[in-house]
Amino acid sequence: TQLLEQSPQFLSIQEGENLTVYCNSSSVFSSLQWYRQEPGEGPVLLVTVVTGGEVKKLKRLTFQFGDARKDSSLHITAAQPGDTGLYLCAGAKNTGFQKLVFGTGTRLLVSP
Amino acid sequence: GAGVSQSPRYKVAKRGQDVALRCDPISGHVSLFWYQQALGQGPEFLTYFQNEAQLDKSGLPSDRFFAERPEGSVSTLKIQRTQQEDSAVYLCASSLDRQGDRETQYFGPGTRLLVL
Repeated sequence: TQLLEQSPQFLSIQEGENLTVYCNSSSVFSSLQWYRQEPGEGPVLLVTVVTGGEVKKLKRLTFQFGDARKDSSLHITAAQPGDTGLYLCAGAKNTGFQKLVFGTGTRLLVSP
Repeated sequence: GAGVSQSPRYKVAKRGQDVALRCDPISGHVSLFWYQQALGQGPEFLTYFQNEAQLDKSGLPSDRFFAERPEGSVSTLKIQRTQQEDSAVYLCASSLDRQGDRETQYFGPGTRLLVL
């Protein structure tokens, strides 16, 4: 059972377009992470947000953690083919260790 | 430096066979995690080790699943009497911190298991 719902599930866009991926839950998380996973590889961490309302930028990627720490968004500006991949959000709770609850995933395809 | 490695990368098993999946974490990493990722889904937590101690196995789907890390380094996930619903990618991740709290988890490439 995955507690984090991502939308959209699949997104196909042209190079240069902007997009936003959403990650929603009814649960509160102590921190939330975003990963990108490419075929045949494991997820790679992009960012961790820990404070409600926090916004982090990583080049063309902007990540936001909701005020109530139940949701998050990832915005990509001027998408490039290299951004293609599976984007996963993952929440962590204060369990004493980093037990991650992953979202359902958003598969992004950016065409030249 | 070397990352997390997993072997085999692909495994085809007949229903009822036992399989063993290996994970070599990054050297010196204390925490080790196993996740199961079904096709088109996000990974789901299976179990967690701190050194050789298995501190959480709440995500293991049934008693057919068993994980060990006897010397606090290499870990093996064993699935007995495999069933078709066990088909998935099994991911291993390790992190440096002994508590695993807010430490980056580094994932291996996974083992893709197909049960026929």
